[in-house]
Amino acid sequence: NAGVMQNPRHLVRRRGQEARLRCSPMKGHSHVYWYRQLPEEGLKFMVYLQKENIIDESGMPKERFSAEFPKEGPSILRIQQVVRGDSAAYFCASSPPLAGVYEQYFGPGTRLTVT
Amino acid sequence: AQTVTQSQPEMSVQEAETVTLSCTYDTSESDYYLFWYKQPPSRQMILVIRQEAYKQQNATENRFSVNFQKAAKSFSLKISDSQLGDAAMYFCAYRTVSNFGNEKLTFGTGTRLTIIP
Repeated sequence: NAGVMQNPRHLVRRRGQEARLRCSPMKGHSHVYWYRQLPEEGLKFMVYLQKENIIDESGMPKERFSAEFPKEGPSILRIQQVVRGDSAAYFCASSPPLAGVYEQYFGPGTRLTVT
Repeated sequence: AQTVTQSQPEMSVQEAETVTLSCTYDTSESDYYLFWYKQPPSRQMILVIRQEAYKQQNATENRFSVNFQKAAKSFSLKISDSQLGDAAMYFCAYRTVSNFGNEKLTFGTGTRLTIIP
């Protein structure tokens, strides 16, 4: 059973461009979480999704950031008009439907660099 | 809102010795989960150990054990017989249940552990 997959692993964007980060959860997992890790900091929750639904986006910046988890395909975190402050590692984690009793399994992260 | 505090930005220990990493948290909930995650230079987040708040017995996983003091809201990690492969950032995390029913994690700022050969 493959783990959580994220791509790309590294992404370089110029200021003003768009960044798309992809996350494929583990097989059988229907809950996806996105976290952001700024340099020398811990991970901060951004958004929680189930298939076709955003459940909690309380940690997501109000502008330029969006997330989706379609019925088919990976979850996508989209950052429009990137700025230098968006440079960070973005981690995706997934858990099974009965999320209350299971750990979240993390992907390897996408390191976004904005130049 | 819940907060997690790791007051030791860096720690070092001699190989084969024991080291304890500290973590305190603040919450008004009576039931929750606490975790220690390891992040090596590869940046992959690896679960080390989990503690359920309603269990008084401290969790143990091989060389890793915790000292969970619920009243003091303290959750320290003890690593015995330290090995070079234990060198990493260690994050303490609290799992909350939001109004939406999800179990998002709240992380501390981490402790960088160095193993001295």
